[in-house]
This record gives sequence, structure tokens and C-alpha cells, in this order.
Amino acid sequence: AQTVTQSQPEMSVQEAETVTLSCTYDTSESDYYLFWYKQPPSRQMILVIRQEAYKQQNATENRFSVNFQKAAKSFSLKISDSQLGDAAMYFCAYRSGAGSYQLTFGKGTKLSVIP
Amino acid sequence: EAGVAQSPRYKIIEKRQSVAFWCNPISGHATLYWYQQILGQGPKLLIQFQNNGVVDDSQLPKDRFSAERLKGVDSTLKIQPAKLEDSAVYLCASSPREGLMNTEAFFGQGTRLTVV
Repeated sequence: AQTVTQSQPEMSVQEAETVTLSCTYDTSESDYYLFWYKQPPSRQMILVIRQEAYKQQNATENRFSVNFQKAAKSFSLKISDSQLGDAAMYFCAYRSGAGSYQLTFGKGTKLSVIP
Repeated sequence: EAGVAQSPRYKIIEKRQSVAFWCNPISGHATLYWYQQILGQGPKLLIQFQNNGVVDDSQLPKDRFSAERLKGVDSTLKIQPAKLEDSAVYLCASSPREGLMNTEAFFGQGTRLTVV
């Protein structure tokens, strides 16, 4: 079974600064997808960024980028120019490239943004 | 495009009572998921439907939890009888179709259940 580990329960960042959230995963599969979801107090999970395992190039979405190290099974999220609206829980998630496509989530990292 | 709708937003019940949650996925989405998110943890899949058939319910506590998606559209999740450890947020999600590798799941705002 796949597991996802987020070792930082809480992180904080100054507004306009950069922060990196860590995620490691364990799998024996070669075909899979990795995701970062944001969960604000409204509880709705919002997709931040997605990475296909077969792509070597790291995904980027505006101020959000990932550092995907497939051999190390590491998938960190970098948030640049942090904004107050970035404050939320962030979850790393794994999805197999075959089977039921269900998401396996980490325990999350609570990000605070300091004005 | 309307998102995934869930109701109620909040529910407080006593242990041993029953409760039901409702989910209406995004129009046209064939796959529907129910996740349980206990405080301080990431969501855990309870059950996955493809149209009105069950794809995966291996983590659903079937002695007390049940779910259905009769017409392949909206779905209900029921707990009977509830236990204190069922206190959690119940998230519904949908995605267009199995087999589309690049599809993402869209989540509703969840139902926060408190069992006292």
C-alpha cells in the first residue's frame, strides 16, 4: 500500500517570502500522480498543483512550484511571494496510475502567513 | 459550472443515533468518492462509485456505514448507529470518468459531524 508522509505539522512564513512544504511517499509503482491540495477553513479541498511521475520537468502554477525527486520519492511544494490568502492546511496526495484512482493523503501541514 | 454540493454543512447527534449525508456531484461526473477526515489527519477514502456501481468500499465500516448512488448521480452516506469516533468531516468528491488518466477530483465543502 502507498503511504504519504508530511513531516511538518505546522509552518509559518512572512508575507511576500518563500516557503517550502515537504512530502515523501512510498510506492512500488512506476506510474502515478502526485498532488498538493489546499484546505482553507471552509473545508473545501482545492487543487494547487499536479505532477505526473513520468514527467521529469517539475510542475509550476504561478507562485506555486514543486521539486519532484522520483528516486528519493520526495515531492515538495514551494510557495513564492506568500500572500495572506495562502494560509491554510496543505495536503500532499498520491494517486496510482492504475486501479481505482483513489487519493492517498498525508496528514497535512498547517501554513500560517505573518503580515 | 456548479461545484460538488453537500448537505448539511454541520450535524450534531448523540451516539447510537443515525445520520445521513447527501452529495450532488458535478454534472456529468461518473465517479463519486466519499472521504472521512478525522481532525488532524488527511482524508481517508470510504467508498468510490463509478456511475451507480461500487468500485472500492474496502475501508467502509459496513456494520454501521452504508452508501448508495441509485441513479448514478447524487449519493447518500448513512451511519447507523453512530459512535463517538465517527466525529469527522465527511467530504464528497467527483471526477469525470475512470480511465482518464489526467483527471482530478473536485471536492465539496464537506459535512462536519459531531457525535456526543
